Amino acid sequence: AQSVAQPEDQVNVAEGNPLTVKCTYSVSGNPYLFWYVQYPNRGLQFLLKYITGDNLVKGSYGFEAEFNKSQTSFHLKKPSALVSDSALYFCAVRSALIKAAGNKLTFGGGTRVLVKP
Amino acid sequence: SAVISQKPSRDICQRGTSLTIQCQVDSQVTMMFWYRQQPGQSLTLIATANQGSEATYESGFVIDKFPISRPNLTFSTLTVSNMSPEDSSIYLCSVLPRWGGDTEAFFGQGTRLTVV
Repeated sequence: AQSVAQPEDQVNVAEGNPLTVKCTYSVSGNPYLFWYVQYPNRGLQFLLKYITGDNLVKGSYGFEAEFNKSQTSFHLKKPSALVSDSALYFCAVRSALIKAAGNKLTFGGGTRVLVKP
Repeated sequence: SAVISQKPSRDICQRGTSLTIQCQVDSQVTMMFWYRQQPGQSLTLIATANQGSEATYESGFVIDKFPISRPNLTFSTLTVSNMSPEDSSIYLCSVLPRWGGDTEAFFGQGTRLTVV
């Protein structure tokens, strides 16, 4: 079975400071990893994904994430946070073995980010 | 990418009634899914909507309670039947534009359901 853990329910950061949202995963075979953001009363918006290749992936709105296979982690980062980055962030995993997971995404519990002016 | 229109955006319903949620995509997609989310919580997969055949339900969800239709490659409905207050939640439609595990999923805006 595949699973995702986001150990922090909430992350508080001052505007302009670096932002990190942690994610670790467990999956059969190689992982496909995704980050999504959800603003209040909205659906999930795709930020970035890791499929293969360079461990550092860049995505929308200045976000990036680093894949670490040995630590089974995929932490989301932003060098300088904005107040508008305040939202709920979800990490998700899918196995590269399609038959193992039927192309289904497994989500972490979510991390609420609060960026203070 | 895919643009998803989900209707209604919110509703307040009486217990014992049913609500049908519609999900319309602006292009043909390979897979469609339905999720449930408590506000501020994670997403729980209800089922995979299969075009032209019965949906595939996850553990804890049954067809009698959550009948799903998918008549074509751009449209699906989820019905929440015989509702109780415990069904109050956000229901999200999600699609995969193409087959492949490396494809990102896209989500509708969600339907916020309150059962009174």
